[in-house]
Amino acid sequence: QVQLQESGPGLVKPSETLSLTCTVSGDSVSSTTYYWGWIRQPPGMGLEWIGYISHSGSSNYNPSLKSRVTISLDTSKNQISLRLTSVTAADTAVYYCARVPYYDSRIFDYWGQGTLVTVSS
Amino acid sequence: SSELTQDPAVSVALGQTVRITCQGDSLRNYYASWYQQKPGQAPVLVIYGNNNRPSGIPDRFSGSRSGNTVSLTITGAQAEDEAVYHCGSRDISNNRVFGGGTKLTVL
Repeated sequence: QVQLQESGPGLVKPSETLSLTCTVSGDSVSSTTYYWGWIRQPPGMGLEWIGYISHSGSSNYNPSLKSRVTISLDTSKNQISLRLTSVTAADTAVYYCARVPYYDSRIFDYWGQGTLVTVSS
Repeated sequence: SSELTQDPAVSVALGQTVRITCQGDSLRNYYASWYQQKPGQAPVLVIYGNNNRPSGIPDRFSGSRSGNTVSLTITGAQAEDEAVYHCGSRDISNNRVFGGGTKLTVL
């Protein structure tokens, strides 16, 4: 069974960098049949796609975040990482990692439980 | 603002049928997926592609598309179906987009 688990600081100061890790079990981030992505959800609001990355390192990011975001893979640890620079209060959200099938890259078929990140001084 | 539009809230009587809709220009060309999210939980994929259900999703959930509108239909709604439902797809630039979500109340 595929499981994803996000981890990282729950509090980040404005202008600093948000860094999260997603540990995958039951599948491999080196898989040639899945992308690995991040989605976030501000409190009480809808979902916002952040981006995704393939095993080869090719990535696709939300244009509104592209200048600040980096998604990477650590195949030795079977982890996905998210890095978001110069954060503001608007980046406060629950951050989810998710698996994206190659056969339909519009869908997110497995999700982590999410981790709340608050941006505040 | 989201490129996919959903009604904020919908209600249905227990055991009745409810349709939740999602509108957007990109839906004329691309299928949408639907996610069920219960309070404090991560979204769960319930419908994708041309009315496909992942393993474990009850067959009372179905999807359809007409023009720029996609619909999630729950036939015989159960109390456990009360949740927020999000639609998702892609836009013409290959970005992924979500609707604002519809809160379903089962009366």
